[in-house]
Formats: sequence, C-alpha cells, structure tokens
Amino acid sequence: NAGVTQTPKFQVLKTGQSMTLQCAQDMNHEYMSWYRQDPGMGLRLIHYSVGAGITDQGEVPNGYNVSRSTTEDFPLRLLSAAPSQTSVYFCASSYAFAGSYEQYFGPGTRLTVT
Amino acid sequence: AQSVAQPEDQVNVAEGNPLTVKCTYSVSGNPYLFWYVQYPNRGLQFLLKYITGDNLVKGSYGFEAEFNKSQTSFHLKKPSALVSDSALYFCAVRVYGQNFVFGPGTRLSVLP
Repeated sequence: NAGVTQTPKFQVLKTGQSMTLQCAQDMNHEYMSWYRQDPGMGLRLIHYSVGAGITDQGEVPNGYNVSRSTTEDFPLRLLSAAPSQTSVYFCASSYAFAGSYEQYFGPGTRLTVT
Repeated sequence: AQSVAQPEDQVNVAEGNPLTVKCTYSVSGNPYLFWYVQYPNRGLQFLLKYITGDNLVKGSYGFEAEFNKSQTSFHLKKPSALVSDSALYFCAVRVYGQNFVFGPGTRLSVLP
C-alpha cells in the first residue's frame, strides 16, 4: 500500500492564481480531510469528506473548494491564491468518520504564495 | 466545543532520561485521545490512542500515555529518551461523530 499520497510536494504561486492540490489513498478509507499547518497553530481543518459525494466545511474553509467523486481521491482547490494561504497542507484519511479510528497523513504540500 | 492544550512549546531532555509531553483537553462527551509525531519535512505519524479501558496505553517506539479523566489529561511518556525521538509531537482529541481537534504541538529535543 502506498497509503496517502499528495502532489505536488512544493508549489509557488502568484497572488490570484489558482491550483489544485492532489490527494489519493489506497486503503479504501471513507473519511478524508485537508488540514493546513501554520507555526504555533497546530493543524486546522479546512474541509472533510465522510464518503464519495459528501463533503463539508471545517474550521477554515474560505478560499478553498473540495470534491469527492471517488473513494480514493480528494483534491483541494485554491480558487484565487492569497499570501495568507502560504502554509503546509496535509491530507489525511481514516477508515470511517464515526468511531475511534486514527488518521493516516500524507507527506504534505508546502505552498508559498507571493 | 472541543479543545486541546499542550502547555509547553518546547521540552528538552537528556538522552537516557525519562520524558513527558503534556496534553490536556476539553470535550463534551467521552473522548478518544491520540498522539502523533512529526519529523522534519514529513507528515504526521500515529503513535497511540486511548479509546476506553486501561488508563495506560502503550504505543509505537516505546512510547506510552496515561489517561487521567479527573484531570482531563493525556500525557505522553517514555522511560528512556533517544536522540532520534527529537521531533514535533501533537495531541489530538475527538468525540464520536465529530472531527479531530489538534493541539498546537510540542517540540521535543533530546540532547546527547
């Protein structure tokens, strides 16, 4: 199993550009989520999905869109990049939303917006 | 609302000494508690979790954590620290039907 994979590893954008961060998992997990990690703030939930076709907003959803057309893939779209979106982005998956299942994390995407 | 506090930004310990990384939480309902470790430029790795039952939970790499319901704490411990344990440690909590909430992280430095 590859686990959770993310692409790209690094990205530099100019303000106003759009892009999609890719996330895929091969563990047949129902629950997938996107976090951003900023110094001293831990991980903050952007969007999450409890299954294919079902998504919902997390703590900091503004400026980001998601979709979940398959169980495996959960891309995160930045609509119009802003310097405040400079961060490290992590995708995670878990067997199910309900219950005590731990999350498995991807290696992250480091995004810089200039 | 759920919340997690990690009161120490940084913990320094000498190699071979015991280590403790502190975590306290606030939830409505019964908590599921987790510890994750993050090495530089890597994603988070799961260490251990508490669901129910025995208050002392053992996990990967010799780590363990003690759940204390009255103090709403879930401190991470290891009897003998290694230099390779140096990393960023995150405590997380969730209750049934809710998302994970992560603490701000504690940087552990184990000095040779």
